[in-house]
Amino acid sequence: KAGVTQTPRYLIKTRGQQVTLSCSPISGHRSVSWYQQTPGQGLQFLFEYFSETQRNKGNFPGRFSGRQFSNSRSEMNVSTLELGDSALYLCASSGTGESYNEQFFGPGTRLTVL
Amino acid sequence: AQSVTQPDIHITVSEGASLELRCNYSYGATPYLFWYVQSPGQGLQLLLKYFSGDTLVQGIKGFEAEFKRSQSSFNLRKPSVHWSDAAEYFCAVVSSGGYNKLIFGAGTRLAVHP
Repeated sequence: KAGVTQTPRYLIKTRGQQVTLSCSPISGHRSVSWYQQTPGQGLQFLFEYFSETQRNKGNFPGRFSGRQFSNSRSEMNVSTLELGDSALYLCASSGTGESYNEQFFGPGTRLTVL
Repeated sequence: AQSVTQPDIHITVSEGASLELRCNYSYGATPYLFWYVQSPGQGLQLLLKYFSGDTLVQGIKGFEAEFKRSQSSFNLRKPSVHWSDAAEYFCAVVSSGGYNKLIFGAGTRLAVHP
């Protein structure tokens, strides 16, 4: 099975712009979670989607949003970028049954905000 | 609030030496616990998990971890470290809010001397 894929791998944006990141989960996985990783704050949960519904959200401002499509692919959007949004954004997918809660991560999208 | 503590920010061991990375968690009920490894510029790879049952769990790459409820610990061990094990290691617990929300420790960076 192919793993979790994320596009693009690298992005450079300027303050005030917006950005959209994409995540394709492992085939058959219906849950997609997003995390932000920074040197200062570590790994922090952004949100989780299951069957196109956001089930859980972390403590991030409303500038961070996401969605999930019927094929389980997910996107996250960050509007009005700030310098502090520079981070590695990781997405993870998980299946059902015994593998529920077992998350498989993609390689991440490295976002740099100038 | 739930938390995960990895007391050691940085550890250096010699190749062939044994390794133990510490992890303590704060969680009321039986936790779902994970260890992930991250190589530079990469996503997270799942090493092993504990959901229930046998408190000594085996993972990939020769790693094992032991769940000790009385000590709220889930330490990762490897009997003989290889140079390729140099990476950052993260301990994580599923949040009581569920829905695939992981709470991560700050990570332990492992360096391996030849």
